[in-house]
Amino acid sequence: AQKITQTQPGMFVQEKEAVTLDCTYDTSDQSYGLFWYKQPSSGEMIFLIYQGSYDEQNATEGRYSLNFQKARKSANLVISASQLGDSAMYFCAMREYTSGTYKYIFGTGTRLKVLA
Amino acid sequence: ETGVTQTPRHLVMGMTNKKSLKCEQHLGHNAMYWYKQSAKKPLELMFVYNFKEQTENNSVPSRFSPECPNSSHLFLHLHTLQPEDSALYLCASSQDDSPYGYTFGSGTRLTVV
Repeated sequence: AQKITQTQPGMFVQEKEAVTLDCTYDTSDQSYGLFWYKQPSSGEMIFLIYQGSYDEQNATEGRYSLNFQKARKSANLVISASQLGDSAMYFCAMREYTSGTYKYIFGTGTRLKVLA
Repeated sequence: ETGVTQTPRHLVMGMTNKKSLKCEQHLGHNAMYWYKQSAKKPLELMFVYNFKEQTENNSVPSRFSPECPNSSHLFLHLHTLQPEDSALYLCASSQDDSPYGYTFGSGTRLTVV
């Protein structure tokens, strides 16, 4: 069963507007971590934001915020005031602890295109 | 500068060649990982090393052979690859339950001809 689901293969947003990238996850663990990464065309994966499963407040990092709805098992990324440089692939990931090691499971990603 | 350095950035190899990918981190992280990223597929975890001990081999074909001589260096040795092995290979490191997650390298774009 897929543990991380990103249902939007591609998204468009007008420059300066906000956009929400969807992510749902599946786990039976009580303790887990949720992450968003950005991958520009150059290939490197850039950490954006983290939400711990016990964090009661939604995480924020500058223009990025994570809309964490634990009961619905969703962890949507909100980008405010989109910029042209935000055009990239965005991956949602969940960290789980198995066999004595932390591992990260990634979704298939959403390609975001910011329009001028 | 990401903190995790991967070389080479690009590699083209024939199916009978032997090559190696290198990953290096000096962040003091205890775990290192190899991922394969193919088009339109999720990142696939290949190998996990924790304190230079392999803790996971995700049913990876034996034509991929990892090596972790110390907790700062990780290699992926390649031999007799297939065209379907062409992909972006990403190395990452992490420190247990850090809130910053992985630190990724820039990847090696591998093309098998």
